[in-house]
Amino acid sequence: ELKVEQNPLFLSMQEGKNYTIYCNYSTTSDRLYWYRQDPGKSLESLFVLLSNGAVKQEGRLMASLDTKARLSTLHITAAVHDLSATYFCAVDTVGNQFYFGTGTSLTVIP
Amino acid sequence: DTGVSQDPRHKITKRGQNVTFRCDPISEHNRLYWYRQTLGQGPEFLTYFQNEAQLEKSRLLSDRFSAERPKGSFSTLEIQRTEQGDSAMYLCASSNQQYQETQYFGPGTRLLVL
Repeated sequence: ELKVEQNPLFLSMQEGKNYTIYCNYSTTSDRLYWYRQDPGKSLESLFVLLSNGAVKQEGRLMASLDTKARLSTLHITAAVHDLSATYFCAVDTVGNQFYFGTGTSLTVIP
Repeated sequence: DTGVSQDPRHKITKRGQNVTFRCDPISEHNRLYWYRQTLGQGPEFLTYFQNEAQLEKSRLLSDRFSAERPKGSFSTLEIQRTEQGDSAMYLCASSNQQYQETQYFGPGTRLLVL
């Protein structure tokens, strides 16, 4: 079974600082997804990364994918309080089963 | 149609009872997924439909769980003889195969089994 690990699980950072969340997965996959979940809410799609070397940016978030290393990163630039949420990466398989990481709970402190 | 909807949003039941949840996907989406999420964990894949065909089912899914998607539109997830361990948030998501597989999630049904 494919395993998806996120690091760190919990992250507390000050406003204005930069940080990176890491997502490692255990088998070959060319497609990786990042989602955001606010407390008590459902998941919101952030990025879809479909090939090795893919990089996407939206506002203060930038995601990248290295399929050879089986690694994706979500970089946060100059964090603001509104980014406080739980972030999940997910990988799909040939059979279209999606595997999610355990999530990174981000708290941005003023 | 502005998004994926799920009904009910909350369900409290007694152990041993059967429950059924409904998911209405975004209308043009041909793929529909069911997930289960417990507190502090990521969503766990349960099953997946393409149109009306159920193509994948998690090995973790016991035979008390069954899902249908008649006519390739809405889907139902039934849990028979519920157990306390079934307490979780049940999420539905849909996607359009033509558009990079972004999944759009519904608000979820929170189940509590007493």
